[in-house]
Amino acid sequence: QVQLQESGPGLVKPSETLSLTCTVSGGSISSYYWSWIRRPPGKGLEWIGYMYHSGSTKYNPSLKSRVTISVDTSKNQFSLKLSSVTAADTAVYYCARGVVVVEAATGWSVGWFDPWGQGTLVIVSS
Amino acid sequence: QSALTQPASVSGSPGQSITISCTATSSDVGGYNYVSWYQQHPGKAPKLMIYDVSNRPSGVSTRFSGSKSGNTASLTISGLQAEDEAEYYCSSYTSSSTWVFGGGTKLTVL
Repeated sequence: QVQLQESGPGLVKPSETLSLTCTVSGGSISSYYWSWIRRPPGKGLEWIGYMYHSGSTKYNPSLKSRVTISVDTSKNQFSLKLSSVTAADTAVYYCARGVVVVEAATGWSVGWFDPWGQGTLVIVSS
Repeated sequence: QSALTQPASVSGSPGQSITISCTATSSDVGGYNYVSWYQQHPGKAPKLMIYDVSNRPSGVSTRFSGSKSGNTASLTISGLQAEDEAEYYCSSYTSSSTWVFGGGTKLTVL
């Protein structure tokens, strides 16, 4: 079965770039929507963005100017870079596999995340 | 403000049934509100419980069920157990090809 594991620094200084990597095991990184999601302390889940296996990306409009997601198919990994971080970016960051299918009855696209990585805490502090 | 609105908290006693609602407040989510539901215990990763409104992944207890009516989706947990105490999130894939999450609902088992 597919498993995901996040890795990267747990402490980042304000104004610097947060960089995380998600390693996918037990399956190929081709296809699917390889996604990043975070949960700030005391708050709910926030979708950050994804890269589709074709190379197309989509980001949360509130973070779009600072986010880059990339995929390295040779290593079965995908990465997140978040620039100009502040204390508000302190959160547990999760990687997840996004699945999107077309609902037959309506033609509407539906999606979900499964599986998820265990998450990694990133603290932004000097 | 999230495009998906959930109650902040719900509670129930062991053996009872509870329902958590998720209402789409944005047209971007669409009138269909095909949501997925996630359970998150403290310090753990979210776990997919329901996808495409009412489908259960393999291994998820049949005590968990999903439904929807108009713009509101619901997660029902029957035969409440202490281990069900957790945070629950709904999520939807939007017409803009993005994802949104509800604000989360804390379930307390009394």
